[in-house]
Amino acid sequence: DGGITQSPKYLFRKEGQNVTLSCEQNLNHDAMYWYRQDPGQGLRLIYYSQIVNDFQKGDIAEGYSVSREKKESFPLTVTSAQKNPTAFYLCASRGAGGLKYGYTFGSGTRLTVV
Amino acid sequence: SQQGEEDPQALSIQEGENATMNCSYKTSINNLQWYRQNSGRGLVHLILIRSNEREKHSGRLRVTLDTSKKSSSLLITASRAADTASYFCATVLTQGGSEKLVFGKGTKLTVNP
Repeated sequence: DGGITQSPKYLFRKEGQNVTLSCEQNLNHDAMYWYRQDPGQGLRLIYYSQIVNDFQKGDIAEGYSVSREKKESFPLTVTSAQKNPTAFYLCASRGAGGLKYGYTFGSGTRLTVV
Repeated sequence: SQQGEEDPQALSIQEGENATMNCSYKTSINNLQWYRQNSGRGLVHLILIRSNEREKHSGRLRVTLDTSKKSSSLLITASRAADTASYFCATVLTQGGSEKLVFGKGTKLTVNP
């Protein structure tokens, strides 16, 4: 079955560490997105990529970095510069049928600073 | 930046009742989408309504769109306990050839058995 896989499901980070969240899709979608969700809040856009080797900052990009070397993969690195990284992180993708099918989301990674 | 704002923030009803959630947005749109999120999970796309449509149905879901008021509503009829989830509206913003989905804060629906 096609879909988006996020790993790990839970991640713990020590102060000052960089951590990388994985997002892989086998839907052949061009566009991929990273969102952050805080408790009781909506989703805020961190970074997005419309095609391979290209990405744009979203609304809250500070303290995060991404790469898009392959169509299938869009990893997110939470750097030590992100002062409040504890949150639920969601990856999404959109194909050419986005107007009909909407965006497809992964099941999320919950990051906690310890 | 939040484009959509859902109302109410939380809604608690009995099984069998209808649930109505509202969404207001700020800028012109091409389409508006509704998503569902079960606790601690990813989002699932429910329905998309285009700007030239006024109403759309999918099973027990009915979505309306009023572009003059910049608002949309999601109606879930004959609710079930399994409908308990958070519901988000989202609009597409296009900038310089790039498209991004912008979400509201959501309505948390609880359906009591």
